[in-house]
Amino acid sequence: AQSVTQLDSQVPVFEEAPVELRCNYSSSVSVYLFWYVQYPNQGLQLLLKYLSGSTLVKGINGFEAEFNKSQTSFHLRKPSVHISDTAEYFCAVSALYNNNDMRFGAGTRLTVKP
Amino acid sequence: NAGVTQTPKFQVLKTGQSMTLQCAQDMNHEYMSWYRQDPGMGLRLIHYSVGAGITDQGEVPNGYNVSRSTTEDFPLRLLSAAPSQTSVYFCASSYNREDTQYFGPGTRLTVL
Repeated sequence: AQSVTQLDSQVPVFEEAPVELRCNYSSSVSVYLFWYVQYPNQGLQLLLKYLSGSTLVKGINGFEAEFNKSQTSFHLRKPSVHISDTAEYFCAVSALYNNNDMRFGAGTRLTVKP
Repeated sequence: NAGVTQTPKFQVLKTGQSMTLQCAQDMNHEYMSWYRQDPGMGLRLIHYSVGAGITDQGEVPNGYNVSRSTTEDFPLRLLSAAPSQTSVYFCASSYNREDTQYFGPGTRLTVL
């Protein structure tokens, strides 16, 4: 089965600074990769996903991620964060053709300070 | 569309009690899943379904049963609740294998 490691449990940054949230995955088959965001007391919302094609994926709210097959990574980036980006971010992986058997990382809490 | 709905929002059970968490979607999605979310562990897949009448186990299925008699509904049953099942439960659905999963608002369950 697939697995995901999010390398940072907490990332504090100042407003308007750039941020990178790191995600590594493990799988014996080809995968789909996802980043989700969870605001307090809410469900998960998809930020972006990689299915195939260009390795640089752009998502909502100015986020982007790059799929690196050789490094088995899918790091999330934003060039300038806002206070409203404070949330929990989850990286997830699923095997090709079996999107419902999805495995999530433990999450990274991004805190944006004024 | 209401999207994915879950009831109840909150529930407190005593050890050994049974209950059913409800999940419904009105998007005609074939794929539906149940996850539990525990602090520091992200979301873990409990069971999933690829269509009416078809279910399969995920990463942590023990203590939970599911069935899928209609496309719209995917209830999760706890037959004999244990304190280890205290968690937040999320239901999700998607149209097909490659489609985005849409998540419900969650059910916060406490087992005393």
